[in-house]
Amino acid sequence: GESVGLHLPTLSVQEGDNSIINCAYSNSASDYFIWYKQESGKGPQFIIDIRSNMDKRQGQRVTVLLNKTVKHLSLQIAATQPGDSAVYFCAENHLWNTGFQKLVFGTGTRLLVSP
Amino acid sequence: SQTIHQWPATLVQPVGSPLSLECTVEGTSNPNLYWYRQAAGRGLQLLFYSVGIGQISSEVPQNLSASRPQDRQFILSSKKLLLSDSGFYLCAWIPPAGSGTQYFGPGTRLLVL
Repeated sequence: GESVGLHLPTLSVQEGDNSIINCAYSNSASDYFIWYKQESGKGPQFIIDIRSNMDKRQGQRVTVLLNKTVKHLSLQIAATQPGDSAVYFCAENHLWNTGFQKLVFGTGTRLLVSP
Repeated sequence: SQTIHQWPATLVQPVGSPLSLECTVEGTSNPNLYWYRQAAGRGLQLLFYSVGIGQISSEVPQNLSASRPQDRQFILSSKKLLLSDSGFYLCAWIPPAGSGTQYFGPGTRLLVL
């Protein structure tokens, strides 16, 4: 069935390094992808999104790359800071013909940033 | 601006007791609303979604039910809680003509003993 999965459950980096979190998806019909950050005990927070007609989008210290050929999504965080420590989820959007929008979430990657 | 509220923030309930969790959204009309459950250290499981007042769809069979008595109010309920109902419950919304990004509430942590 359709799924969004992550390659690495935990990623440990040093403060100041660049982090790359990967995600694979299986539904080639998905047209919208989102990255969320979830800190312990809090709800997921929107980070950045990308549409399927793009292959790269940049935000503040974050970049999302989309490779539709291999159905791969990645989140790059530049100059990682201790405050970036959290679980990161990718999600793909399925827009049903009724207009209802349903996200399929990956299992998450925990990012640990050491000072 | 839009905001989403959930309460209570934490809840400890005995097995067999009833449950009512509430979610409200401000600053928008006719949003799509969602309930998710998240087990410790795990991903998000979609439980229910609603496209309008009184319209509820269930994703998985379970001990829970949902209702939407008002446009911006979404309630998650149970008549008798099970131990397996413990978890972190998240409410989310999307504007009816939105891009697809879901915005999440702060969550309710439920512990069933």
